[in-house]
Amino acid sequence: QSALTQPASVSGSPGQSITISCTGTSSDVGAYNFVSWYQQHPGKAPKLMIYDVSNRPSGVSNRFSGSKSDSTASLTISGLQAEDEADYYCNSYTSTSTWVFGGGTKLTVL
Amino acid sequence: EVQLVESGGGLIQPGGSLRLSCAASGFTVSSNYMSWVRQAPAKGLEWVSVIYSGGGTYYAGSVRGRSTISRDDSKNTLYLQLNSLGAEDTAVYYCARAVTGTFYFDSWGQGTLVTVSS
Repeated sequence: QSALTQPASVSGSPGQSITISCTGTSSDVGAYNFVSWYQQHPGKAPKLMIYDVSNRPSGVSNRFSGSKSDSTASLTISGLQAEDEADYYCNSYTSTSTWVFGGGTKLTVL
Repeated sequence: EVQLVESGGGLIQPGGSLRLSCAASGFTVSSNYMSWVRQAPAKGLEWVSVIYSGGGTYYAGSVRGRSTISRDDSKNTLYLQLNSLGAEDTAVYYCARAVTGTFYFDSWGQGTLVTVSS
């Protein structure tokens, strides 16, 4: 199972919006609405930010939103804040009953 | 409160074996889908293995054939046995929970570092 494809880095200024894409195949992202997104700060464990494509867990800011079209999912962060600077990973359940992560995207808040 | 605590990492010689543990509290391991996820230094997350609540097990290609995921219901603990270790297995290993019927990881441990080196 090959890793999902994410841009290596994105950046934005405080208050702006950014979008991170996550491209998979018809065996993972395109097969199910089981795409999730994780935020990871240096030295910390990942934190769930979005599940089932577009749902936010309790406690996650509504500045985070997710969507999907065919085999590409996206995470949008609006109203960028300094604390959003982190690595972001997409993840999808697959047709072989396994999971696959994206390569990760480093978000820099300028 | 849901809590996951990994242990068992350390410095291992190439070709060696290790068993990682993940002690859970606040929920029942056997009633959930429990996974191992690893992260090599300065690299991304890699899903490694899962044991489903029904007992089925699956592995990533990178560890298939030389790893075994298991659980001890009496200890509410998840394990990962890794054999024939190589430098490519050097990573922080996290255990993560997906509630049965869901396919996202809502709880993570703090990770345990495995370093494979002579």
